[in-house]
Amino acid sequence: KAGVTQTPRYLIKTRGQQVTLSCSPISGHRSVSWYQQTPGQGLQFLFEYFSETQRNKGNFPGRFSGRQFSNSRSEMNVSTLELGDSALYLCASSLWGQKNTEAFFGQGTRLTVV
Amino acid sequence: TQLLEQSPQFLSIQEGENLTVYCNSSSVFSSLQWYRQEPGEGPVLLVTVVTGGEVKKLKRLTFQFGDARKDSSLHITAAQPGDTGLYLCAGAYNNNDMRFGAGTRLTVKP
Repeated sequence: KAGVTQTPRYLIKTRGQQVTLSCSPISGHRSVSWYQQTPGQGLQFLFEYFSETQRNKGNFPGRFSGRQFSNSRSEMNVSTLELGDSALYLCASSLWGQKNTEAFFGQGTRLTVV
Repeated sequence: TQLLEQSPQFLSIQEGENLTVYCNSSSVFSSLQWYRQEPGEGPVLLVTVVTGGEVKKLKRLTFQFGDARKDSSLHITAAQPGDTGLYLCAGAYNNNDMRFGAGTRLTVKP
């Protein structure tokens, strides 16, 4: 079965712009979690969506937002980009949630803000 | 400040050696997971431990969850170059908020 697909793989944006990243989970999975990975901070939890509802949220500013569609595909948006937003953004797909059911990660979107 | 502290941060060893990496926290977790991440890829789940004192084995890898469910260790026996990667631990609170450590970057030289 197909894995988790994240698009695009690479992105370069300018400070002040906004960006939308996409994650297509494994078919049948209803939970999608988003993470930001940087060399200094490691993996930081952004938010989790389950059945089109945000179920959990990490400690990120309101510039970071997301949504989930009825087919479980999820998008995250970052507005007014800052240099510090440069990172690898990963999504994780699971049946019911990462705590209780195995999560599968995508390859990530590497965002560079210049 | 990381809620989960992993040590060592970097580890470089020769093929055939044994090693142990650690994941520590002052918080109690309902479960803890270990992942391995290779360059250009997302993390891949290795194991989930749930019960305090639990030990799980996956071929040459042995995972242990502390009795108080605040810490965990990963021991690799006779390391191979294919074990090279970033090892991450992640703890689950009472919801699906997963908190990751910064990872241990392991290099196994042939």
